[in-house]
Amino acid sequence: RKEVEQDPGPFNVPEGATVAFNCTYSNSASQSFFWYRQDCRKEPKLLMSVYSSGNEDGRFTAQLNRASQYISLLIRDSKLSDSATYLCVVSRGFKTIFGAGTRLFVKA
Amino acid sequence: DAGITQSPRYKITETGRQVTLMCHQTWSHSYMFWYRQDLGHGLRLIYYSAAADITDKGEVPDGYVVSRSKTENFPLTLESATRSQTSVYFCASSLGQDNSPLHFGNGTRLTVT
Repeated sequence: RKEVEQDPGPFNVPEGATVAFNCTYSNSASQSFFWYRQDCRKEPKLLMSVYSSGNEDGRFTAQLNRASQYISLLIRDSKLSDSATYLCVVSRGFKTIFGAGTRLFVKA
Repeated sequence: DAGITQSPRYKITETGRQVTLMCHQTWSHSYMFWYRQDLGHGLRLIYYSAAADITDKGEVPDGYVVSRSKTENFPLTLESATRSQTSVYFCASSLGQDNSPLHFGNGTRLTVT
């Protein structure tokens, strides 16, 4: 079993839709959580950190459930430019584990 | 703010040749990492370094060598390139503390023929 698991998708949604991605992690000692975005064949870029209380950045909302070892990302009012692969990332100190990513296509 | 830069962006080499991928960061981050990304495997850690002169193996180190004589540089060398090392290579850096994310370079696309 992989330490970080994501649904690979793809998710195909129309512009303006709300879409949610989930991620589970297996190591309860994990300390920090992030969502990264990766465009085709480019470097991953930090989208947002994920905090236990939940956090929001514009149209993006991230939540963490430590008891269930579960992380989510909600994208509201999807834009064409949101089309990308979203990577769930878990870390303990310097050790960082990446999920394989969830592919999102937003269509006009 | 140059951040983290990799060179070259693209490289084609022949089987058996030695090739070095360069990585330079301007943030004075303690930790630096090399990942490779292949279809079906996601990002896999090759080597990492906690500080100058301290390096350690990651998940897939075979066939690779690293060094870190200066904090800002972390070159990756393929001693005798093989076709299986055709991949996209990403260098990253971080403070190495809780809640400090990785910051990636823009990658080197390596083809071994």
